[in-house]
Amino acid sequence: DAGVTQSPTHLIKTRGQQVTLRCSPISGHKSVSWYQQVLGQGPQFIFQYYEKEERGRGNFPDRFSARQFPNYSSELNVNALLLGDSALYLCASRRYSGGAEGTDTQYFGPGTRLTVL
Amino acid sequence: GQQLNQSPQSMFIQEGEDVSMNCTSSSIFNTWLWYKQDPGEGPVLLIALYKAGELTSNGRLTAQFGITRKDSFLNISASIPSDVGIYFCAGRGTGFQKLVFGTGTRLLVSP
Repeated sequence: DAGVTQSPTHLIKTRGQQVTLRCSPISGHKSVSWYQQVLGQGPQFIFQYYEKEERGRGNFPDRFSARQFPNYSSELNVNALLLGDSALYLCASRRYSGGAEGTDTQYFGPGTRLTVL
Repeated sequence: GQQLNQSPQSMFIQEGEDVSMNCTSSSIFNTWLWYKQDPGEGPVLLIALYKAGELTSNGRLTAQFGITRKDSFLNISASIPSDVGIYFCAGRGTGFQKLVFGTGTRLLVSP
């Protein structure tokens, strides 16, 4: 089975522009989460979606939004880009069967490297 | 944003040596995960821990879920050059809780 896939791999934008990042989860996984990883730090949680509904949101401004589609893929949108938005954006998928939740782990994609100039 | 305390920050060791790193939190977690990340790549899951006191191995890697549920440890035995990378711990609460990551431990292995 394919792992988590993300597109594009790299992206360069200028301040004030808008960007859309895409993620396809592992087959059979219904939960997708987005993380931002600034250089030299650990990933920071942005959003979690399960069955097309937002289930969690981190401390990020309203410029960040996301959605999940019926096929469980997801998009992350960032408006009015700032220099500080430059980071590796990671998508993670999780099965979440709703049963033995404690045995359900999260797998990451390779990320999208966003550079804001 | 919130990050867990992970130590050491970096390690430079000789091939064949054993390595230990740990992660502490002020909050209780129900799941502890350990990831390895290579430059420009996403984190790769190494070990998952689900019960306090649990000790789990994956090849040369061994991790433990602390009894207090506020800490976790990762040991790497007989290190090899391909162990080079950044190791992150991550904790998670119940339900749809987010993963909270540690600050990372950068491991360098000299042949």
